[in-house]
Amino acid sequence: KNQVEQSPQSLIILEGKNCTLQCNYTVSPFSNLRWYKQDTGRGPVSLTIMTFSENTKSNGRYTATLDADTKQSSLHITASQLSDSASYICVVSGVEGGSQGNLIFGKGTKLSVKP
Amino acid sequence: EPEVTQTPSHQVTQMGQEVILRCVPISNHLYFYWYRQILGQKVEFLVSFYNNEISEKSEIFDDQFSVERPDGSNFTLKIRSTKLEDSAMYFCASLAGGYSYEQYFGPGTRLTVT
Repeated sequence: KNQVEQSPQSLIILEGKNCTLQCNYTVSPFSNLRWYKQDTGRGPVSLTIMTFSENTKSNGRYTATLDADTKQSSLHITASQLSDSASYICVVSGVEGGSQGNLIFGKGTKLSVKP
Repeated sequence: EPEVTQTPSHQVTQMGQEVILRCVPISNHLYFYWYRQILGQKVEFLVSFYNNEISEKSEIFDDQFSVERPDGSNFTLKIRSTKLEDSAMYFCASLAGGYSYEQYFGPGTRLTVT
């Protein structure tokens, strides 16, 4: 069964600190893996998208890694800010080609950044 | 920057009533999607739409659901006879197509069925 598992479920860190969120997936076939940031009551916003041939991608203070062999990904946030408080969701697409339908979502890691 | 918009932001309806959730995807995007998120749970795929027809749908998307792109700009999700368990956030998304994998999500409509 196609699944995306994330850890930890929740995380509290102090402002300015770094953190790393984990994602394991069992989706096959595999097309790409995304990390989204979702503020409470809002739609997900894309941070990074990686295909199987990419093993790292950065977007400002966010750096995602992908190991397609072990089917693991991580999202590293550096120098955290209060505005980073949100849910971070790992999403896998098993569809090749244009439609990119049926994204498979993890449950997310709820990050709280405290002053 | 172009964005996906959704209306209404919050819809309250009684069980058994029909609701229509509206979305305006990003102009020139070719693929459209509906997702739902029950409170406290993960986002779930409902349906994808391309070239004026459904390209894929999940088990959730049963005969009570339908989608339509009536006028070339709006993309709607209709629930014919709402149930209590339909209460959720409903997100619309659009994708440009071609080599792009990037789906852009709208802010969502919170549907409350009483």
